[in-house]
Amino acid sequence: GENVEQHPSTLSVQEGDSAVIKCTYSDSASNYFPWYKQELGKGPQLIIDIRSNVGEKKDQRIAVTLNKTAKHFSLHITETQPEDSAVYFCAAKDSNYQLIWGAGTKLIIKP
Amino acid sequence: ETGVTQTPRHLVMGMTNKKSLKCEQHLGHNAMYWYKQSAKKPLELMFVYNFKEQTENNSVPSRFSPECPNSSHLFLHLHTLQPEDSALYLCASRAEYNSGDTQYFGPGTRLTVL
Repeated sequence: GENVEQHPSTLSVQEGDSAVIKCTYSDSASNYFPWYKQELGKGPQLIIDIRSNVGEKKDQRIAVTLNKTAKHFSLHITETQPEDSAVYFCAAKDSNYQLIWGAGTKLIIKP
Repeated sequence: ETGVTQTPRHLVMGMTNKKSLKCEQHLGHNAMYWYKQSAKKPLELMFVYNFKEQTENNSVPSRFSPECPNSSHLFLHLHTLQPEDSALYLCASRAEYNSGDTQYFGPGTRLTVL
């Protein structure tokens, strides 16, 4: 079955700098890769996703890249702001239409 | 707000108690999920319901019993839990079981088992 690895577990960046979070997956048949953001006291919320027929997708300061050959995808956040501080989860959709999740990355934005 | 509500937000129970978690979605979705979230671990899928029918049960112990009376409501009945069951329990909904990929999460119930 699908397995998703996420790194790093904690990432601390200076406000205004960029942050990159990486995930790898094991099942080459997976075709949908979302990223969720979880703020304190809330459930995860989708921030961006990508399907296997594209290599990159951008939405303002966030972008996701996908390398199908290497089976990894990454979240890029530019010009980080204090409100970007949260836990970020990557996921991959398996053949049963279920999401297999990474362990999460706690992003800390230093003022 | 995401349109998914969960009650209670916090629950402390002893190992011999029986309690229930409730989830309600106001999005008109047909699929609902229970997840267990433990610190620094991936979300663990527990149960999936599609049109009120259970479609997934990921080897969850029988001390957890789900109930889905209609497409808008989902319950998780708890009895004789163990301390290792302490976690955040998240409910989510999705438009359709095999399409509409986005899952909408409630804020979770923080469960502590003494």
